[in-house]
Amino acid sequence: DAGITQSPRYKITETGRQVTLMCHQTWSHSYMFWYRQDLGHGLRLIYYSAAADITDKGEVPDGYVVSRSKTENFPLTLESATRSQTSVYFCASSESRLPPREFFGPGTRLTVL
Amino acid sequence: QKEVEQDPGPLSVPEGAIVSLNCTYSNSAFQYFMWYRQYSRKGPELLMYTYSSGNKEDGRFTAQVDKSSKYISLFIRDSQPSDSATYLCAMIFNTNAGKSTFGDGTTLTVKP
Repeated sequence: DAGITQSPRYKITETGRQVTLMCHQTWSHSYMFWYRQDLGHGLRLIYYSAAADITDKGEVPDGYVVSRSKTENFPLTLESATRSQTSVYFCASSESRLPPREFFGPGTRLTVL
Repeated sequence: QKEVEQDPGPLSVPEGAIVSLNCTYSNSAFQYFMWYRQYSRKGPELLMYTYSSGNKEDGRFTAQVDKSSKYISLFIRDSQPSDSATYLCAMIFNTNAGKSTFGDGTTLTVKP
């Protein structure tokens, strides 16, 4: 299917476990982004990538790791999940940085117990 | 203080009303101003963006930027129940290293 997909859509895990959220886009967009969305905080950028093997920190990168070995995939790993990482995670992609034309995935709802 | 402040809402209007959604910001270096619509349990989708000051119209939607006041607005004319969603403003600098900064969103309900 064309577009941007995220998996899993829902995940429940325990404190201290490692969790990886997957993001895949079929447009060959150069830029990919990970955001988290919490009540009262809107969307906050965790990491972004301008191309394969190029990543940079966003506003809230602590506790997260990303990699981008292929243009179409941008996984986000929580190395040791904490309750404060309970959130909805959105992946996005865009062909260029400007003008802004990000396409968002459907989101992953993560609960850390 | 947050860089981008958005009217918190929620906002409830009757069908056909004109809706005004607003954001203020503190960083005068922002150059692109975006509005996203997010339906419940879905990802945001870009409605429109404006570069620098001025107005931009797309159908029933008009985006307005006043850089002198650091104030942006989204107007929805002839609002429809299908417009019921959360609206997010966002801003970015005019650089390829720019990172979007989002407001917290305003939830709009249009009642038939």
